[in-house]
Amino acid sequence: KNEVEQSPQNLTAQEGEFITINCSYSVGISALHWLQQHPGGGIVSLFMLSSGKKKHGRLIATINIQEKHSSLHITASHPRDSAVYICAVRPNFNAGGTSYGKLTFGQGTILTVHP
Amino acid sequence: GAGVSQSPSNKVTEKGKDVELRCDPISGHTALYWYRQSLGQGLEFLIYFQGNSAPDKSGLPSDRFSAERTGGSVSTLTIQRTQQEDSAVYLCASSLTQSNYEQYFGPGTRLTVT
Repeated sequence: KNEVEQSPQNLTAQEGEFITINCSYSVGISALHWLQQHPGGGIVSLFMLSSGKKKHGRLIATINIQEKHSSLHITASHPRDSAVYICAVRPNFNAGGTSYGKLTFGQGTILTVHP
Repeated sequence: GAGVSQSPSNKVTEKGKDVELRCDPISGHTALYWYRQSLGQGLEFLIYFQGNSAPDKSGLPSDRFSAERTGGSVSTLTIQRTQQEDSAVYLCASSLTQSNYEQYFGPGTRLTVT
């Protein structure tokens, strides 16, 4: 079982729909990142959060540390939101000598928004 | 204000050859990371540098892979005796420190081993 699991793996939506992508993890973390990767493009960091909720434009990210779960929401989706969304966690600083710098990634969610 | 840059953007090499991939992090960023994204696979961690500390090499898949970071800035990832399974996009990222700061990713180097 992967340390970071995302669902769904693929998501198709119509323009304007509200979208939710989920991420569950099994290790202690100090932070969780949501990343966006467009086809043929680079990776852009959307959010880094360790508690609560963050909002940027139409994007909202939430995290529940106790439940080891995070969600990424897109309101009023648009075709330009079509991309792969990747959840990544940073191991906890106190995790038994493990480097806390590196990220462990989910498999990604492929989002396609149709006009 | 340049971001993270990587070179070359594409590299095609024959099986058995050595390759070097370069990463220029954002100026002032002390932490530098190498990741790999194989076709149809997720991202995986390779190696991480923080300042003058010993690098975390725990993600390197074999002893054919090595990396160095000179002067706390530019980093080179070297793959010796390349194999077809090394074909992937190699991504570099940097952050201000190893603490909870955002990582900024470079555009990647697409390596194809024929």
